Amino acid sequence: DAGITQSPRHKVTETGTPVTLRCHQTENHRYMYWYRQDPGHGLRLIHYSYGVKDTDKGEVSDGYSVSRSKTEDFLLTLESATSSQTSVYFCAISEGTSGNTGELFFGEGSRLTVL
Amino acid sequence: AQSVAQPEDQVNVAEGNPLTVKCTYSVSGNPYLFWYVQYPNRGLQFLLKYITGDNLVKGSYGFEAEFNKSQTSFHLKKPSALVSDSALYFCAVRYILTGGGNKLTFGTGTQLKVEL
Repeated sequence: DAGITQSPRHKVTETGTPVTLRCHQTENHRYMYWYRQDPGHGLRLIHYSYGVKDTDKGEVSDGYSVSRSKTEDFLLTLESATSSQTSVYFCAISEGTSGNTGELFFGEGSRLTVL
Repeated sequence: AQSVAQPEDQVNVAEGNPLTVKCTYSVSGNPYLFWYVQYPNRGLQFLLKYITGDNLVKGSYGFEAEFNKSQTSFHLKKPSALVSDSALYFCAVRYILTGGGNKLTFGTGTQLKVEL
């Protein structure tokens, strides 16, 4: 299994509170991603990073911010959580287009419930 | 825009019978296609991919997938299903992001249930 650790694995919070999810990798891969999984939608990309301090938006980025201060860590922050952000969040990593042909390797997920 | 569609929310099959999980794609250019499997309360695991070459791609756990350009399909198959194959299966297509990373656009998933 790819060395990806997500924390916390489960969190229940209240509307309006800030939440930070952490993804830690031991593979030294350049690219990191945050996806959310919702029934009927599959997985949708929130934000991604192509290097330290280099990040960009995905298709569902509203209400989320990210930071990557070290190669191994990618943080996802919900500044003010809403019920629509109740979801399972997955971190993924990849080597990039030059290193491979596109596989992403996923963490075990973080289940967030916003009451 | 790159996209994939999985027309079946659920597929039921008896153990020992062949199984097929369907996926169609819409891309510009040559597609890079993937299948992933998700077991309950776990992350997604890579099964196989099609990049170029043979239309029949073999992957993990005895799964294979057939790429059909004329039908824009990439169906997942297994000759003999096992109860342990019961899981959620996702088809995905690659899109290259600004900065060089790979975005995978996923289908909505197909729940496979293999019964004794």
